Amino acid sequence: AQKITQTQPGMFVQEKEAVTLDCTYDTSDPSYGLFWYKQPSSGEMIFLIYQGSYDQQNATEGRYSLNFQKARKSANLVISASQLGDSAMYFCAMREPAGGNQFYFGTGTSLTVIP
Amino acid sequence: EPEVTQTPSHQVTQMGQEVILRCVPISNHLYFYWYRQILGQKVEFLVSFYNNEISEKSEIFDDQFSVERPDGSNFTLKIRSTKLEDSAMYFCASGTSGSYNEQFFGPGTRLTVL
Repeated sequence: AQKITQTQPGMFVQEKEAVTLDCTYDTSDPSYGLFWYKQPSSGEMIFLIYQGSYDQQNATEGRYSLNFQKARKSANLVISASQLGDSAMYFCAMREPAGGNQFYFGTGTSLTVIP
Repeated sequence: EPEVTQTPSHQVTQMGQEVILRCVPISNHLYFYWYRQILGQKVEFLVSFYNNEISEKSEIFDDQFSVERPDGSNFTLKIRSTKLEDSAMYFCASGTSGSYNEQFFGPGTRLTVL
């Protein structure tokens, strides 16, 4: 089974609108961490936001927030007030101690912000 | 702001040749990682390194691969005899903790095997 599933290969959003990028994960470990990374066309990986499995509140970082629904094993990224510079690939990732602290990435979602 | 650096940005090599990809992690970080991303595909974990030894490695990280921290600043990935399928972007990352802190990624080295 896939550890991280991103079901949206591509998404479009109008500038200044909010967009949700979906991510579901699979783990039996009670302790894990969830991450979102942005990869612009230039190729570098940019850390956006982190959510720990025991965190009570959803993580927020500026315009990014993580909609963490533990029972559903989902960790959707919400980008508010989209900007043209948000156009990029977005990867959801998970880290679990049971896996030897390996990092599992999803296949990514390509986000295009339309002016 | 401190950052992870990688050299070269692009490496072209002939099949069967050895390559060494170099990374300079952030100076106070203790955990180091290599990942690869084949063009158009997801990022894949290769290996983690802590306290001068490999902590964890994936199935991809076979005997053709090795890692080393030859001095206090560099972290290298060596591929002994490159294959066509080794063509990918290779990312180095470092972190302060092996737990849940985010990893800081370098800009990547694009390896092309001809």
